[in-house]
Amino acid sequence: GEDVEQSLFLSVREGDSSVINCTYTDSSSTYLYWYKQEPGAGLQLLTYIFSNMDMKQDQRLTVLLNKKDKHLSLRIADTQTGDSAIYFCAEIRWFQKLVFGTGTRLLVSP
Amino acid sequence: DSGVTQTPKHLITATGQRVTLRCSPRSGDLSVYWYQQSLDQGLQFLIQYYNGEERAKGNILERFSAQQFPDLHSELNLSSLELGDSALYFCASSVGGLAEDNEQFFGPGTRLTVL
Repeated sequence: GEDVEQSLFLSVREGDSSVINCTYTDSSSTYLYWYKQEPGAGLQLLTYIFSNMDMKQDQRLTVLLNKKDKHLSLRIADTQTGDSAIYFCAEIRWFQKLVFGTGTRLLVSP
Repeated sequence: DSGVTQTPKHLITATGQRVTLRCSPRSGDLSVYWYQQSLDQGLQFLIQYYNGEERAKGNILERFSAQQFPDLHSELNLSSLELGDSALYFCASSVGGLAEDNEQFFGPGTRLTVL
């Protein structure tokens, strides 16, 4: 199908790791992205991964890419209350179209 | 603050009306992208302009149109508004014209409510 799928909701305790999963559809996507949307704000690019990579680490963020299964994940280590937000994965489709996932709401409790 | 500005922040209007949303990209950015975020459709790409020219088109309705002016600001025009057009409309900008090679910086959005 056309949809980029994500689980709707994730709840973790402060200090734990969070793993947000995404299943995308276009095997020819060259870049895959993770965006963060805080309440009342626009989207902020967190990180991205090029399709020929399996993993990318950026401070507390680790992105894993399984091209065979078209599965992307974002791991946030030592999750903080400030990480509470909606997280969107996105892929580039034909004609430069950025297609977003359904979004995962992360709630971090103290 | 991403450097992308959008006006107005909120807009309330009636069905059948026409509205214009405005976006000023970051200084130096040539591309402007418009997105719609609604509860039922999620976040969808509408259209992209690069240096005044339409570059890519997404799920934009025929009732909607956009343009980018010589000073690179952009306007999104929504006409014959329907209840289902109520959404958050985001503008983003990037330096270059290729969406995959250029980070997009998002504005805070315009919340449109159609009554």
